[in-house]
Amino acid sequence: DTEVTQTPKHLVMGMTNKKSLKCEQHMGHRAMYWYKQKAKKPPELMFVYSYEKLSINESVPSRFSPECPNSSLLNLHLHALQPEDSALYLCASSQDRRNREMREQYFGPGTRLTVT
Amino acid sequence: GEDVEQSLFLSVREGDSSVINCTYTDSSSTYLYWYKQEPGAGLQLLTYIFSNMDMKQDQRLTVLLNKKDKHLSLRIADTQTGDSAIYFCAGSTGGGNKLTFGTGTQLKVEL
Repeated sequence: DTEVTQTPKHLVMGMTNKKSLKCEQHMGHRAMYWYKQKAKKPPELMFVYSYEKLSINESVPSRFSPECPNSSLLNLHLHALQPEDSALYLCASSQDRRNREMREQYFGPGTRLTVT
Repeated sequence: GEDVEQSLFLSVREGDSSVINCTYTDSSSTYLYWYKQEPGAGLQLLTYIFSNMDMKQDQRLTVLLNKKDKHLSLRIADTQTGDSAIYFCAGSTGGGNKLTFGTGTQLKVEL
């Protein structure tokens, strides 16, 4: 099973709403990632969790709040977003072999977020 | 930070070979990857190459790496309409958990 699942597939929210994106993998991966992708652009890394601990935060605004409840799940809590936050949000996972660099990332299908 | 450049667009006829190019500035990546993204979908890992290799072949895919020129390419033989997608090259940096993606190349396959 090399699948990363994400819910919901589409989300429309107002600027005052609070919502959450969910990501799940059952590959035994211990590193999980959130990316933001605008149309026709490469993904931009937002957060990395390694062994359920936040290891990288790419200076993301606090209106995005990640959470890793266990090794299989990753959430992204959204609050007071702006229209420019509309994008495809991708989750990925990989092995976290601390002595090797080969850590291919497997991506989920993404959540298409529209902020109105 | 690293700059990874790709040409924006490539159009080929079905059955021809496609060559997608990638140039980068930072040669410290140990592994270099090619990802495919179809419309409305996530990224699919196609293949990768270890930095001490010059070439890797995987069925219809051939990856060439020229470390001296900091140039990576992906050749797709017998290109099919199902190969139409955006292709991203990527290198791993920052201890391996950070991927730096290229700008992406949109491949269009015409009948």
